[in-house]
Amino acid sequence: GQQLNQSPQSMFIQEGEDVSMNCTSSSIFNTWLWYKQEPGEGPVLLIALYKAGELTSNGRLTAQFGITRKDSFLNISASIPSDVGIYFCAGRGGGTSYGKLTFGQGTILTVHP
Amino acid sequence: GAVVSQHPSRVICKSGTSVKIECRSLDFQATTMFWYRQFPKKSLMLMATSNEGSKATYEQGVEKDKFLINHASLTLSTLTVTSAHPEDSSFYICSARVPATNEKLFFGSGTQLSVL
Repeated sequence: GQQLNQSPQSMFIQEGEDVSMNCTSSSIFNTWLWYKQEPGEGPVLLIALYKAGELTSNGRLTAQFGITRKDSFLNISASIPSDVGIYFCAGRGGGTSYGKLTFGQGTILTVHP
Repeated sequence: GAVVSQHPSRVICKSGTSVKIECRSLDFQATTMFWYRQFPKKSLMLMATSNEGSKATYEQGVEKDKFLINHASLTLSTLTVTSAHPEDSSFYICSARVPATNEKLFFGSGTQLSVL
């Protein structure tokens, strides 16, 4: 099946620093989504991307759909303690059912005040 | 964003009993819902796709007789873990695709199942 490789697995940063994480796939994806999950909760959608090269921002978050359609990155600028959580990329590849997503392994983000 | 309500948030049960988890779309109709399983600090694993008015589609390796899914209405899907065993203990999360939102999936808040 389709797989997504997400990195880094974890990050420990100081408040105010910028953060970058990415996902890559060996096959082409048509849709990329980025989610944040806090302990004991379901994932919350942050950004959705639908076109190769698309760059979308949501406050301090920016995500891009790679030109090759095999990768995506998420940047968080000027991190704050409430950014703590697990960030997941998710995507849908060609030939899969509409809405059926593959998830990356997640990036655990810790922000020190 | 759209609201997906999942209940209960936490359940503890004895081995051999069955547990039902509900997933409701509160402000939209969901013809398709998805059930995931997640282990601590791990990714989400799709278990099955729940289709309103028809049988669920299970992913490879997921026992359909063990994890019964019913999607009887456009706003409700249920997952029943039958004859639960300790190895079924996990975090179960549902999600629903909001029509006309170009593939955005919204998730419930999850159910932590602990089987003693």
